[in-house]
Amino acid sequence: EVQLVESGGGLVKPGGSLRLSCAASGFTFSSFTMNWVRQAPGKGLQWVSSISSSGSYIYYGDSVKGRFTISRDNSKNSLYLQINSLSAGDTAVYYCARDGRAARTEYFSDYWGQGTLVTVSS
Amino acid sequence: QSVLTQPPSVSGAPGQRVTISCTGSSSNIGAGYDVHWYQQLPGTAPKLLIYGNINRPSGVPDRFSGSKSGTSASLAITGLQAEDEADYYCQSYDSSLSGSRVFGGGTKLTVL
Repeated sequence: EVQLVESGGGLVKPGGSLRLSCAASGFTFSSFTMNWVRQAPGKGLQWVSSISSSGSYIYYGDSVKGRFTISRDNSKNSLYLQINSLSAGDTAVYYCARDGRAARTEYFSDYWGQGTLVTVSS
Repeated sequence: QSVLTQPPSVSGAPGQRVTISCTGSSSNIGAGYDVHWYQQLPGTAPKLLIYGNINRPSGVPDRFSGSKSGTSASLAITGLQAEDEADYYCQSYDSSLSGSRVFGGGTKLTVL
């Protein structure tokens, strides 16, 4: 069974930093592109970042570029998101999501974790 | 402002059919990128509902179907049930921003 379990969220002051983790199990982690997607309270989904299976290709949404860093450790079946210079606008549930694989289509997420809440407040 | 546009809300009575639209542009849906749909029940993580415009993952009832034409896509739900009450999101890829997956703003489905 595929499982994605996020951790590392919490309350942080504006300007602060956090490192989110996602522990993966039930599949060959090193073979899949992974993503972070966030959801502000009462709002919609926003793609944050993606990292290829080997870590060679990394992409960020404009709102987090330069402040967030995605990484992975395939030996530990883990995905990470280092988030710096936090502001109130970064308050959200952060989801880890696995890229799906299917013939003739791509760029979708087939499994999601339960999310970890990041609250930025003084 | 989301890159993909969805109606904020739709509603229907049990047993009825409802559709949710998702409108994009020439850099995403209109460029040929597929549309995917997610269902988010209250207080839970999103769940993949439709991928590649029309495909259902194993376990998703055939009451749910997707379509795509031009710069738009639609999700149809037939035989509406109380447990379908949720938020629904469309998602695609946008070529104007490298690596960028884009979501619609979400549609709240209310079962009357």
